[in-house]
Amino acid sequence: AQSVTQPDIHITVSEGASLELRCNYSYGATPYLFWYVQSPGQGLQLLLKYFSGDTLVQGIKGFEAEFKRSQSSFNLRKPSVHWSDAAEYFCAVMNSGYSTLTFGKGTMLLVSP
Amino acid sequence: EPEVTQTPSHQVTQMGQEVILRCVPISNHLYFYWYRQILGQKVEFLVSFYNNEISEKSEIFDDQFSVERPDGSNFTLKIRSTKLEDSAMYFCASSASTYGYTFGSGTRLTVV
Repeated sequence: AQSVTQPDIHITVSEGASLELRCNYSYGATPYLFWYVQSPGQGLQLLLKYFSGDTLVQGIKGFEAEFKRSQSSFNLRKPSVHWSDAAEYFCAVMNSGYSTLTFGKGTMLLVSP
Repeated sequence: EPEVTQTPSHQVTQMGQEVILRCVPISNHLYFYWYRQILGQKVEFLVSFYNNEISEKSEIFDDQFSVERPDGSNFTLKIRSTKLEDSAMYFCASSASTYGYTFGSGTRLTVV
């Protein structure tokens, strides 16, 4: 069965500093990978997704993620964090034969002044 | 930008009562989903719905749960007899294809 691990429950980053959120997946074939963001009391907003092709994908709000098959990873990055980026971030994988998402437990990003 | 709309945003119900959570998917979408997130835990898949029938369901989606598309615009999740452990945020999602989800902002269900 597919699974997603986000090893960091909380991360605190200074405003303006770079950010990397880790995501590792377990899936036999090439996965479809997603990053979602959830602000307090809000729904899940898609940041970016990877299906195939270029392993570096660009998303909204200045985020990018790199698919590394050898490491089974899909880490999310942003070069300069803004206070409005404080939220919970979820990595998810989709089985290419189905349409359901399996989520990680999420990483809460705190941004310090 | 089109949105998935969920109502109510917060519902409190007594244990054993029936609840219906409502969702209005994006109008040209064909695939519909319910997910839930128990406080502090990961988002979990409940059920997917396509062509007026359930296409997949998780082990969480037992006989207490049902889904319906009663008309051309609404998609509902019914919990027949709520339990304390049903307290969670319930997310509806829709997609035009199998890969392009749009989630609603969720309904927080509190069972007391």
